Amino acid sequence: QKEVEQNSGPLSVPEGAIASLNCTYSDRGSQSFFWYRQYSGKSPELIMFIYSNGDKEDGRFTAQLNKASQYVSLLIRDSQPSDSATYLCAVSGGYNKLIFGAGTRLAVHP
Amino acid sequence: DTAVSQTPKYLVTQMGNDKSIKCEQNLGHDTMYWYKQDSKKFLKIMFSYNNKELIINETVPNRFSPKSPDKAHLNLHINSLELGDSAVYFCASSPIKSTSGGKFFGPGTRLTVL
Repeated sequence: QKEVEQNSGPLSVPEGAIASLNCTYSDRGSQSFFWYRQYSGKSPELIMFIYSNGDKEDGRFTAQLNKASQYVSLLIRDSQPSDSATYLCAVSGGYNKLIFGAGTRLAVHP
Repeated sequence: DTAVSQTPKYLVTQMGNDKSIKCEQNLGHDTMYWYKQDSKKFLKIMFSYNNKELIINETVPNRFSPKSPDKAHLNLHINSLELGDSAVYFCASSPIKSTSGGKFFGPGTRLTVL
């Protein structure tokens, strides 16, 4: 069983819509959760992190965490073509390491 | 200024060769990592060093040997390269006491083994 699972996509949304990206994880003891954005041929870039159950908002991005359901999501409001990228969900493991999902490819079309 | 840098950016080599990838960070972070991203974009940790001390060594063939001469540098040496080693290798760093725990990634080294 994979430790962090994401739908590979592609998730296609029209410009201006809300993109919803989902992630589930297997380790109930995980404490920290991260969303990275990776453009094609580039390195991952941290865009959001969340520790507590509930929502955390930063600009157009909202991370949602439900530890009971072992579920993390990322909402992108007012999606722009520049948001088209692969979004990687990551969960903290021991020794400060991150365990990544395979990523969801998001395509925002004009 | 580049925060985490890696050299080379591209590396094409024959099977059986030995090669090294270098990484440097100027963020003053205590911890550095090597991650491997395969063709399916799956990013997996290989090693982690904290102040030159190895703290994470995932199930990686012993052909891979990390070396940290100081806390700003973490190099990766690979012996007897195999076709399956073809991937993008990312170096990353993070402070040991981070409010986010997030990692800063270098630009990656695309290794192609022929």
